[in-house]
Amino acid sequence: DSGVTQTPKHLITATGQRVTLRCSPRSGDLSVYWYQQSLDQGLQFLIQYYNGEERAKGNILERFSAQQFPDLHSELNLSSLELGDSALYFCASSVEEGWGTEAFFGQGTRLTVV
Amino acid sequence: AQTVTQSQPEMSVQEAETVTLSCTYDTSESDYYLFWYKQPPSRQMILVIRQEAYKQQNATENRFSVNFQKAAKSFSLKISDSQLGDAAMYFCAYRSAENTDKLIFGTGTRLQVFP
Repeated sequence: DSGVTQTPKHLITATGQRVTLRCSPRSGDLSVYWYQQSLDQGLQFLIQYYNGEERAKGNILERFSAQQFPDLHSELNLSSLELGDSALYFCASSVEEGWGTEAFFGQGTRLTVV
Repeated sequence: AQTVTQSQPEMSVQEAETVTLSCTYDTSESDYYLFWYKQPPSRQMILVIRQEAYKQQNATENRFSVNFQKAAKSFSLKISDSQLGDAAMYFCAYRSAENTDKLIFGTGTRLQVFP
């Protein structure tokens, strides 16, 4: 158990809908990262938050947004869903900004868009 | 932009034997970190080993070791005494020491372990 909790584990929804994925980082970790893993692909970086502030953006679609709350949990919002958004979405956390220390991954949320 | 390449989509090894997974990367930076992550069928991403580019000594974690060739931009993972539980996807990843945000992942190598 990495200590990073992602909910829900599985999500099935229809095209055009909106969903929210939630991530609770390890206790004490200030930095949260979101990644997307499409079928049999590597992980694509979406966005990073550090202590409530957005720090870096990757290949995140405009239909997607995220935030980190004062209690440091983070949510990834996906709207106007398309079939191609079906993927495994990972959250990772680390105690500090960057990866000099080990980053811990959650078990992911598997999103299926039908 | 930095890139990470894993040229072996699949590898297989006999139990108790040794296998090496390849990874090359492209960067113009001199200071960075390299990682190998394991992703078993459970899909959990597990850090296997980490190498700091400024360290000449190759990292070792029990049965896992790396061969880090900075000039060649190569970072291979050697698994000794392979076990059935080593079967998984293995991802090589790069992080800049200056641009402290994302990890850049390769496309992965699927490792099968045969009894």
